[in-house]
Amino acid sequence: NAGVTQTPKFQVLKTGQSMTLQCAQDMNHNSMYWYQQDPGMGLRLIYYSASEGTTDKGEVPNGYNVSRLNKREFSLRLESAAPSQTSVYFCASSIKVGWGSSGANVLTFGAGSRLTVL
Amino acid sequence: GENVEQHPSTLSVQEGDSAVIKCTYSDSASNYFPWYKQELGKRPQLIIDIRSNVGEKKDQRIAVTLNKTAKHFSLHITETQPEDSAVYFCAATQGGSEKLVFGKGMKLTVNP
Repeated sequence: NAGVTQTPKFQVLKTGQSMTLQCAQDMNHNSMYWYQQDPGMGLRLIYYSASEGTTDKGEVPNGYNVSRLNKREFSLRLESAAPSQTSVYFCASSIKVGWGSSGANVLTFGAGSRLTVL
Repeated sequence: GENVEQHPSTLSVQEGDSAVIKCTYSDSASNYFPWYKQELGKRPQLIIDIRSNVGEKKDQRIAVTLNKTAKHFSLHITETQPEDSAVYFCAATQGGSEKLVFGKGMKLTVNP
């Protein structure tokens, strides 16, 4: 199993350009996430998808769009990149362990995509 | 929404010492509290977690405690080793949802 695969690993964009980060998981997980990581800021949730066809905003959704193409794939799109979006982006997927209120979603992260916007 | 505060932001210890990382959360409906370790240039990986119906959990040299009344939880690492050097993140679920809100991380350095 490859787990969670992100592409590309590195990307340099000019301000105003668009691009899509791809994410795929082969663990049959229902939920998928996109997180942004900046130094000293922890991991901030951009968007998440509880199942195919559903998406929900996280803490920092502005400037991004997502698409849950099918159960395996969850893409993140920057329509008009800005220097403030220079960051490392992590995709993750999760499976619920346990039942009811004692259940928990255990996240598995991809290797990350480092984006630089000039 | 949920707010997770983590402190200290950095900690340096000598090999063999213990390390404690503390986190507080704001949402009383949070029910799941994982801890992730991120080595330099790598992805975060789950090291231990605790659910709201448990007060303490231990796995070899690491343990996590949860105080629901005070809304804080802590990670304890005993007999630290240089390979424990990393950034550690605490997290909490946002209410009853599947969304995880992370703290800003703590950089642990274990000096040989």
